[in-house]
Amino acid sequence: DVKVTQSSRYLVKRTGEKVFLECVQDMDHENMFWYRQDPGLGLRLIYFSYDVKMKEKGDIPEGYSVSREKKERFSLILESASTNQTSMYLCASERTSRQETQYFGPGTRLLVL
Amino acid sequence: QKEVEQDPGPLSVPEGAIVSLNCTYSNSAFQYFMWYRQYSRKGPELLMYTYSSGNKEDGRFTAQVDKSSKYISLFIRDSQPSDSATYLCASHIQGAQKLVFGQGTRLTINP
Repeated sequence: DVKVTQSSRYLVKRTGEKVFLECVQDMDHENMFWYRQDPGLGLRLIYFSYDVKMKEKGDIPEGYSVSREKKERFSLILESASTNQTSMYLCASERTSRQETQYFGPGTRLLVL
Repeated sequence: QKEVEQDPGPLSVPEGAIVSLNCTYSNSAFQYFMWYRQYSRKGPELLMYTYSSGNKEDGRFTAQVDKSSKYISLFIRDSQPSDSATYLCASHIQGAQKLVFGQGTRLTINP
């Protein structure tokens, strides 16, 4: 079974703090994604990566950056957290040859005070 | 206009009912269509995917795609309380590296 794990289930941070969210997948997938999920807005793509050290902006990259130093690990960084970044963050991975199948992690609920 | 539109509900039906969940999409280039199920406080999990128009059945679940009207449906037969979840439709273009999701429909099956 594909497993996508995220470093924290719940996080509480203060405005202005630097926040790291980590995602690890164990199936050697090439592509990895970071989404945020908000009521009424659904899932919105922040960034994705199709290879180590490669990244592409999604639909809402502002205020975020990412890092992919190893194939299995994709990190999302909030350089200076703001209250409007309070959200559920979901990581996903997929094999390039099976782009109809994204596997999601359990999510991280981030609260920025 | 969102590329994939989905009524957020909530939708509440009695146990045993047939449930119909629907999405519309605007991009004619979409070729893959998926349904994800998301239980409360969990990540989405892939339920079904289809390529091109037609029906695909998996147990109590049937996914239907009508490309001519740009309509995606998921039918759940003999619905169970364990089917209570948010259902997300998604689409993408072959070769593209991102999915486009609908907002999700929150479904409750009442015992």
